[in-house]
Amino acid sequence: ILNVEQSPQSLHVQEGDSTNFTCSFPSSNFYALHWYRWETAKSPEALFVMTLNGDEKKKGRISATLNTKEGYSYLYIKGSQPEDSATYLCASYGGGGSNYKLTFGKGTLLTVNP
Amino acid sequence: SAVISQKPSRDICQRGTSLTIQCQVDSQVTMMFWYRQQPGQSLTLIATANQGSEATYESGFVIDKFPISRPNLTFSTLTVSNMSPEDSSIYLCSVPGQEGNEQFFGPGTRLTVL
Repeated sequence: ILNVEQSPQSLHVQEGDSTNFTCSFPSSNFYALHWYRWETAKSPEALFVMTLNGDEKKKGRISATLNTKEGYSYLYIKGSQPEDSATYLCASYGGGGSNYKLTFGKGTLLTVNP
Repeated sequence: SAVISQKPSRDICQRGTSLTIQCQVDSQVTMMFWYRQQPGQSLTLIATANQGSEATYESGFVIDKFPISRPNLTFSTLTVSNMSPEDSSIYLCSVPGQEGNEQFFGPGTRLTVL
Protein backbone atom coordinates (compact mmCIF):
# COMPACT_ATOMS: atom_id res chain seq x y z
CA ILE A 1 0.00 0.00 0.00
CA LEU A 2 1.32 3.41 -1.01
CA ASN A 3 0.92 6.27 1.48
CA VAL A 4 1.39 9.74 0.11
CA GLU A 5 1.65 12.50 2.69
CA GLN A 6 1.41 16.24 2.07
CA SER A 7 2.25 19.14 4.34
CA PRO A 8 1.10 21.56 5.40
CA GLN A 9 -2.60 20.71 5.28
CA SER A 10 -3.44 24.37 4.67
CA LEU A 11 -1.56 27.59 4.22
CA HIS A 12 -2.50 31.28 4.22
CA VAL A 13 -0.05 33.70 2.62
CA GLN A 14 -0.09 37.31 1.53
CA GLU A 15 0.03 38.33 -2.10
CA GLY A 16 3.65 38.49 -3.21
CA ASP A 17 4.90 35.91 -0.70
CA SER A 18 6.75 32.87 -1.94
CA THR A 19 5.75 29.52 -0.52
CA ASN A 20 6.43 25.82 -0.80
CA PHE A 21 4.71 22.52 0.00
CA THR A 22 6.05 19.05 0.64
CA CYS A 23 4.95 15.68 -0.70
CA SER A 24 6.44 12.46 0.65
CA PHE A 25 5.89 9.07 -0.90
CA PRO A 26 7.23 5.52 -0.66
CA SER A 27 10.27 5.19 -2.92
CA SER A 28 9.69 1.49 -3.66
CA ASN A 29 7.81 0.59 -6.86
CA PHE A 30 7.89 4.27 -7.84
CA TYR A 31 7.34 5.29 -11.44
CA ALA A 32 6.26 8.96 -11.49
CA LEU A 33 5.19 11.83 -9.27
CA HIS A 34 2.28 14.06 -10.30
CA TRP A 35 1.34 17.51 -9.07
CA TYR A 36 -2.18 18.86 -9.66
CA ARG A 37 -3.85 22.17 -8.98
CA TRP A 38 -7.54 21.88 -8.05
CA GLU A 39 -9.87 24.84 -7.82
CA THR A 40 -13.35 24.36 -6.39
CA ALA A 41 -15.92 23.18 -8.98
CA LYS A 42 -13.23 22.77 -11.64
CA SER A 43 -11.22 19.83 -12.93
CA PRO A 44 -7.90 19.08 -11.27
CA GLU A 45 -5.28 20.56 -13.58
CA ALA A 46 -2.01 18.73 -14.11
CA LEU A 47 1.01 20.88 -13.26
CA PHE A 48 3.93 18.48 -13.48
CA VAL A 49 4.73 14.82 -14.06
CA MET A 50 8.23 13.91 -12.91
CA THR A 51 10.01 10.60 -13.11
CA LEU A 52 13.76 11.06 -12.66
CA ASN A 53 15.63 11.59 -9.41
CA GLY A 54 16.81 15.18 -9.31
CA ASP A 55 14.17 16.34 -11.79
CA GLU A 56 13.30 20.01 -11.60
CA LYS A 57 10.39 21.40 -13.60
CA LYS A 58 9.06 24.92 -13.95
CA LYS A 59 5.84 26.48 -15.26
CA GLY A 60 5.75 30.24 -14.85
CA ARG A 61 6.05 31.07 -11.15
CA ILE A 62 5.57 27.45 -10.09
CA SER A 63 8.36 24.91 -9.91
CA ALA A 64 8.86 21.43 -8.48
CA THR A 65 11.73 19.17 -7.51
CA LEU A 66 11.89 15.42 -7.07
CA ASN A 67 14.03 13.15 -4.89
CA THR A 68 13.09 9.53 -5.59
CA LYS A 69 15.79 8.05 -3.35
CA GLU A 70 14.42 9.64 -0.21
CA GLY A 71 10.83 9.85 -1.46
CA TYR A 72 9.91 13.51 -1.47
CA SER A 73 8.96 16.33 -3.80
CA TYR A 74 8.69 20.06 -3.22
CA LEU A 75 6.36 22.47 -5.01
CA TYR A 76 7.39 26.13 -4.98
CA ILE A 77 5.28 29.16 -5.83
CA LYS A 78 7.17 32.42 -6.28
CA GLY A 79 5.33 35.70 -5.70
CA SER A 80 1.95 34.17 -4.86
CA GLN A 81 -1.13 35.76 -6.43
CA PRO A 82 -4.78 35.47 -5.31
CA GLU A 83 -5.46 33.35 -8.42
CA ASP A 84 -3.01 30.77 -7.06
CA SER A 85 -5.53 29.97 -4.33
CA ALA A 86 -6.43 26.30 -4.79
CA THR A 87 -5.78 22.85 -3.39
CA TYR A 88 -2.49 21.39 -4.58
CA LEU A 89 -2.46 17.61 -4.85
CA CYS A 90 0.46 15.31 -5.32
CA ALA A 91 0.10 11.72 -6.42
CA SER A 92 2.56 8.88 -6.75
CA TYR A 93 2.17 6.69 -9.81
CA GLY A 94 3.43 3.24 -9.03
CA GLY A 95 2.57 -0.31 -8.16
CA GLY A 96 3.58 -3.66 -9.50
CA GLY A 97 2.83 -6.01 -12.36
CA SER A 98 -0.19 -4.67 -14.23
CA ASN A 99 -1.49 -2.80 -11.18
CA TYR A 100 -0.07 0.70 -11.65
CA LYS A 101 -2.24 3.50 -10.33
CA LEU A 102 -2.18 7.02 -8.93
CA THR A 103 -2.20 7.30 -5.14
CA PHE A 104 -3.00 10.80 -3.91
CA GLY A 105 -2.15 12.76 -0.83
CA LYS A 106 -4.83 14.77 0.96
CA GLY A 107 -3.65 17.99 -0.60
CA THR A 108 -2.47 21.40 0.60
CA LEU A 109 -5.10 24.14 0.56
CA LEU A 110 -3.45 27.44 -0.33
CA THR A 111 -5.19 30.74 0.27
CA VAL A 112 -3.49 33.88 -1.03
CA ASN A 113 -4.81 37.06 0.53
CA PRO A 114 -4.70 40.25 -1.58
CA SER B 1 -5.34 16.88 -23.58
CA ALA B 2 -8.86 15.51 -23.11
CA VAL B 3 -11.98 17.51 -22.32
CA ILE B 4 -14.20 15.68 -19.84
CA SER B 5 -17.69 16.61 -18.70
CA GLN B 6 -19.72 15.14 -15.87
CA LYS B 7 -23.42 15.21 -15.01
CA PRO B 8 -24.78 16.15 -12.58
CA SER B 9 -22.32 18.69 -11.20
CA ARG B 10 -23.90 18.31 -7.77
CA ASP B 11 -26.86 16.64 -6.12
CA ILE B 12 -28.47 16.22 -2.75
CA CYS B 13 -30.03 12.80 -2.23
CA GLN B 14 -31.93 10.90 0.42
CA ARG B 15 -30.41 7.85 2.05
CA GLY B 16 -31.42 4.56 0.48
CA THR B 17 -31.71 6.01 -3.02
CA SER B 18 -29.29 5.65 -5.94
CA LEU B 19 -27.61 8.21 -8.19
CA THR B 20 -26.05 7.65 -11.59
CA ILE B 21 -23.19 9.93 -12.60
CA GLN B 22 -22.35 10.36 -16.26
CA CYS B 23 -18.91 11.01 -17.73
CA GLN B 24 -18.37 12.11 -21.33
CA VAL B 25 -14.97 12.45 -23.00
CA ASP B 26 -14.27 14.35 -26.23
CA SER B 27 -12.05 11.57 -27.60
CA GLN B 28 -12.03 7.79 -27.65
CA VAL B 29 -10.19 6.22 -24.73
CA THR B 30 -9.74 2.61 -23.74
CA MET B 31 -9.54 3.17 -20.01
CA MET B 32 -11.59 5.41 -17.76
CA PHE B 33 -11.12 5.78 -14.03
CA TRP B 34 -13.60 6.66 -11.29
CA TYR B 35 -12.38 8.36 -8.12
CA ARG B 36 -14.00 9.76 -5.03
CA GLN B 37 -12.87 12.21 -2.38
CA GLN B 38 -14.63 12.00 0.93
CA PRO B 39 -14.43 15.12 3.12
CA GLY B 40 -10.92 15.54 4.51
CA GLN B 41 -9.63 12.48 2.70
CA SER B 42 -7.47 11.73 -0.32
CA LEU B 43 -8.74 11.31 -3.83
CA THR B 44 -9.19 7.52 -3.99
CA LEU B 45 -9.54 5.24 -7.00
CA ILE B 46 -12.83 3.32 -7.01
CA ALA B 47 -12.49 1.34 -10.23
CA THR B 48 -11.06 1.20 -13.72
CA ALA B 49 -13.56 0.83 -16.57
CA ASN B 50 -12.43 -0.68 -19.85
CA GLN B 51 -14.78 -0.70 -22.81
CA GLY B 52 -16.04 -4.20 -23.54
CA SER B 53 -15.09 -5.78 -20.24
CA GLU B 54 -16.07 -5.75 -16.59
CA ALA B 55 -14.75 -2.90 -14.48
CA THR B 56 -11.89 -3.64 -12.11
CA TYR B 57 -12.61 -2.52 -8.55
CA GLU B 58 -10.07 -1.45 -5.94
CA SER B 59 -9.95 -2.94 -2.49
CA GLY B 60 -12.90 -1.75 -0.42
CA PHE B 61 -15.18 -1.08 -3.41
CA VAL B 62 -17.67 -3.58 -4.83
CA ILE B 63 -19.76 -3.78 -7.97
CA ASP B 64 -23.07 -4.04 -6.10
CA LYS B 65 -22.45 -0.69 -4.45
CA PHE B 66 -20.79 1.09 -7.40
CA PRO B 67 -21.98 -0.49 -10.67
CA ILE B 68 -20.24 0.94 -13.71
CA SER B 69 -21.25 0.96 -17.34
CA ARG B 70 -18.93 1.55 -20.27
CA PRO B 71 -21.08 1.30 -23.42
CA ASN B 72 -18.54 2.95 -25.76
CA LEU B 73 -15.12 4.55 -25.90
CA THR B 74 -16.27 8.07 -24.95
CA PHE B 75 -18.80 7.47 -22.18
CA SER B 76 -19.15 5.85 -18.78
CA THR B 77 -21.53 5.92 -15.84
CA LEU B 78 -20.99 5.26 -12.15
CA THR B 79 -23.98 4.49 -9.95
CA VAL B 80 -23.83 5.03 -6.21
CA SER B 81 -26.39 2.55 -4.89
CA ASN B 82 -28.39 2.48 -1.67
CA MET B 83 -26.72 5.66 -0.52
CA SER B 84 -25.83 6.55 3.04
CA PRO B 85 -24.38 9.79 4.43
CA GLU B 86 -20.90 8.18 4.23
CA ASP B 87 -21.23 8.29 0.44
CA SER B 88 -21.20 12.09 0.53
CA SER B 89 -18.14 12.85 -1.60
CA ILE B 90 -16.87 14.41 -4.77
CA TYR B 91 -16.85 11.80 -7.55
CA LEU B 92 -14.51 12.32 -10.50
CA CYS B 93 -13.90 10.47 -13.70
CA SER B 94 -10.50 10.48 -15.32
CA VAL B 95 -8.79 9.29 -18.49
CA PRO B 96 -5.12 8.67 -19.29
CA GLY B 97 -3.31 11.03 -21.61
CA GLN B 98 -1.15 10.34 -24.63
CA GLU B 99 2.00 10.51 -22.54
CA GLY B 100 1.21 7.32 -20.68
CA ASN B 101 1.25 8.16 -17.02
CA GLU B 102 -0.51 11.54 -17.21
CA GLN B 103 -4.22 11.72 -16.41
CA PHE B 104 -7.00 14.19 -17.12
CA PHE B 105 -9.95 14.70 -14.82
CA GLY B 106 -13.54 15.78 -15.11
CA PRO B 107 -14.88 18.63 -12.96
CA GLY B 108 -16.45 16.25 -10.47
CA THR B 109 -19.90 15.54 -9.07
CA ARG B 110 -20.45 16.81 -5.55
CA LEU B 111 -22.86 14.44 -3.79
CA THR B 112 -24.51 15.09 -0.45
CA VAL B 113 -26.55 12.30 1.12
CA LEU B 114 -28.97 13.26 3.86
